[in-house]
Order: sequence, then structure tokens, then C-alpha cells
Amino acid sequence: EDQVTQSPEALRLQEGESSSLNCSYTVSGLRGLFWYRQDPGKGPEFLFTLYSAGEEKEKERLKATLTKKESFLHITAPKPEDSATYLCAVIYNTDKLIFGTGTRLQVFP
Amino acid sequence: DAGVIQSPRHEVTEMGQEVTLRCKPISGHDYLFWYRQTMMRGLELLIYFNNNVPIDDSGMPEDRFSAKMPNASFSTLKIQPSEPRDSAVYFCASRPGGTDTQYFGPGTRLTVL
Repeated sequence: EDQVTQSPEALRLQEGESSSLNCSYTVSGLRGLFWYRQDPGKGPEFLFTLYSAGEEKEKERLKATLTKKESFLHITAPKPEDSATYLCAVIYNTDKLIFGTGTRLQVFP
Repeated sequence: DAGVIQSPRHEVTEMGQEVTLRCKPISGHDYLFWYRQTMMRGLELLIYFNNNVPIDDSGMPEDRFSAKMPNASFSTLKIQPSEPRDSAVYFCASRPGGTDTQYFGPGTRLTVL
């Protein structure tokens, strides 16, 4: 069964403490991998799309990377406003996104 | 530009009542998706449309759920009759043809008592 697994489920960081979130997938024929940010009471907000192994994308303190089996979302020197749930999703041979269950990130001042 | 618009934002109803959720996609987007999000199951795709035509409804949990897209600017998700286990946040998302990136609305939080 095609699966997307995110780890850890929850992560608590001190402000400025860099870390990484992981998204591993078992789908074959990956067409793209997506990262979204979701704040409480809001819809997922698009961050990045990655299409091929070795690709990297950056936005402010976030950098997403992709290998053949997983993706990492690196957070450098996080701030409290980076606190959110980060969702990973993949698309392969259809128009449907398959989402992981997310990593809940809390950054404390 | 306005993003995806959903209404109502919150809905509280009693078991057995009909519930209608509404979505206005981003103008020019050819695809519209309905999702349900719960703590237990995360984000699940219910159904999606391409150019107003339903393409895949395999995620619709039961016949109590139905969705329509009468035109490019409007879609509804209807639950009749509603049950307490339908309580969840329902999201609508849209995307243009030629890309895979979906843009989500703010969601409708449904509570069925």
C-alpha cells in the first residue's frame, strides 16, 4: 500500500535550535512531493514542491530536500512564529495527493 | 486575488439533519478537491472534479455524502442524513491545469450532535 510517513509526530525546539522533519514515502513513480504548513483553525498553506531527487528549495528559515525515498524539511534558527503542523504529501500516477499525518512543531522563546 | 472561499466556517447540527458545505475555487482553476480532516485519519480526499466533472469519488465514505459542481465557480458537499461520526473539518482545494499544487480554503468545522 502506498504510504507517506512523517516523523517525528511532535517536535519541541528552543528558539534558534535548528532541526529537521522527515517525510518518507513508498509510492512508486513519484511525480512530486509537497510540503504544507497548517496553523490551528486554518487550511494547509503551500510551501514547496519537489520533483526530482537532489532537488532543494528554500524559503526564509526553511529548506526542503528530496531523495529517492524521503524528504527533509530543515528549519534553521527557528522562531516562535514557525510553530505549526507541517504536512507532507506526494502525487504519483493520478491527480490525488496522499498526505502524511504531519509533524507538530512548537518553538519556544 | 481571493483564495479558495468556503462557507460556512462553522456548522453545528443535530444527527439526522442535512448539511450543505459550499466552496468557491480560485478563478481559473480547473480542478476542485474536497477533503476531510480528523485527528485519527488526517487529511483524506473525498472527491475531485476536473472542469466541473466528478473524476474520482472513491473517497466518499457512504451514499449519505454527495457532491456537485454546477459551474466553474461553485461546488457543494452535502451530507444527508448527518451522523456524529461525520464531525470533522472539511476542506476544499483547487488547482490550475498543468500544475499539481493545490491551494486550500480555510475549512468548515462540522459538529454533528
